[in-house]
Amino acid sequence: AQKVTQAQTEISVVEKEDVTLDCVYETRDTTYYLFWYKQPPSGELVFLIRRNSFDEQNEISGRYSWNFQKSTSSFNFTITASQVVDSAVYFCALSDQPGLYNQGGKLIFGQGTELSVKP
Amino acid sequence: DSGVTQTPKHLITATGQRVTLRCSPRSGDLSVYWYQQSLDQGLQFLIQYYNGEERAKGNILERFSAQQFPDLHSELNLSSLELGDSALYFCASSVEWSLAGAVEQFFGPGTRLTVL
Repeated sequence: AQKVTQAQTEISVVEKEDVTLDCVYETRDTTYYLFWYKQPPSGELVFLIRRNSFDEQNEISGRYSWNFQKSTSSFNFTITASQVVDSAVYFCALSDQPGLYNQGGKLIFGQGTELSVKP
Repeated sequence: DSGVTQTPKHLITATGQRVTLRCSPRSGDLSVYWYQQSLDQGLQFLIQYYNGEERAKGNILERFSAQQFPDLHSELNLSSLELGDSALYFCASSVEWSLAGAVEQFFGPGTRLTVL
C-alpha cells in the first residue's frame, strides 16, 4: 500500500533560519510521483513542486529546494532564510501512474507539518 | 488564484440533511478530484471524474455521491449528514494524463461544511 509519512508535526523557527521538512514515502510502484503543497492559514492548497520517480535530480526554486533520494524513499523540502510568510502547513503527497484512460493519479497525503516562522 | 472555483465557501447544516457542493475546474482541465480534510483523517481522496465519467473511487461513503456535467463542472452530494462529516471539502482539477505521467492538481479554496 502507498503511504506518506511526515514525522514532524510542528516546527517553529525564527526568521532567517533554514528549515527542512521531512517526507518519507512507501510504494511498490516503480513509477510514481511526489508532490509538495502548502496550506497557508487562509486554507487553500497551493502546489509547490512535482517530481517523477525516474528523475532524481534535486531542484532549487528561489529559497526553496527539494532533495529526492530513492535509496531512502525520501523527498525532503528545505526553506532557506525562512520568512514569516512561509508560516503554513506543508503537505507531501504521493501519486501513482495514471492509467491510459486517465483513471488514477489520486494524491495520497502525509499528515502535514505545521511550520511557524517567528519574527 | 488556482483557477478552480468552489461554492459555497461555508455551509452550516443539521444532521440528517443533504447538501450539494459545487466545483468548476480550471479552463481546459478534464479531470476533477474531490478530497476531504478533517482533523482526524487528514486529507483523503474521495472520487475522481474525467470528462464526465467516474474514473476512481477512494474512501467515499455510500451516503456521498458525485457527478461531472457536460460543461465539466462537478457536484459532490452529501446526504444523511452526520456530525463526523464536518470537514473542509476540496475540489482539484488537472489536465489529462500525458506521456509525462501524473500531473499536478490545482485545488480550489474549499467548502467548509459544519454539521450541527
